[in-house]
Amino acid sequence: QKEVEQDPGPLSVPEGAIVSLNCTYSNSAFQYFMWYRQYSRKGPELLMYTYSSGNKEDGRFTAQVDKSSKYISLFIRDSQPSDSATYLCAMSAFGNQFYFGTGTSLTVIP
Amino acid sequence: DARVTQTPRHKVTEMGQEVTMRCQPILGHNTVFWYRQTMMQGLELLAYFRNRAPLDDSGMPKDRFSAEMPDATLATLKIQPSEPRDSAVYFCASGGTGGQYQPQHFGDGTRLSIL
Repeated sequence: QKEVEQDPGPLSVPEGAIVSLNCTYSNSAFQYFMWYRQYSRKGPELLMYTYSSGNKEDGRFTAQVDKSSKYISLFIRDSQPSDSATYLCAMSAFGNQFYFGTGTSLTVIP
Repeated sequence: DARVTQTPRHKVTEMGQEVTMRCQPILGHNTVFWYRQTMMQGLELLAYFRNRAPLDDSGMPKDRFSAEMPDATLATLKIQPSEPRDSAVYFCASGGTGGQYQPQHFGDGTRLSIL
């Protein structure tokens, strides 16, 4: 079993929709949780990170962590065509070594 | 914006040839990571360094892969001899100093094709 599981999609939504992306994990030692966005032929870029459980909001993006269920989510409100990318979750126990999901491909249709 | 720089961006070569990929981490960052990305496996950690010392290279096939940091501004990943199954995108990332959590910043990768 992989440390981090992520549904690869692909996910296709109309512009303006709310998008929900999710990851599950098995290692209860994880305490740092990240979401990266990766455009085609580019490297992943850090979108958001949270420490431990709870919610974090940044503009149209909200990250949620439920450590009791070992489940994290990224919500995108009012999705835009520019949000079309692959979204990777990542987790870390001590801050340096990250464990990545395989990524969910998202397309937002104008 | 400070960026991680990787060269070359693309490499096509024949099986058996040596391949060298280079990475310039963000100035001041003291951790460097090498990843391989494929559709099937996603991002796999190959090796990482802190203060130029290798901390973990357990993800790397030792018989053909080697990673080094000759100095603080250069990290290299070599494959010798290369095989078709090495075809993938190789990413370098660097992280800053101080505190327990340091986000990793990625370069745009080297797209490697072994024929």
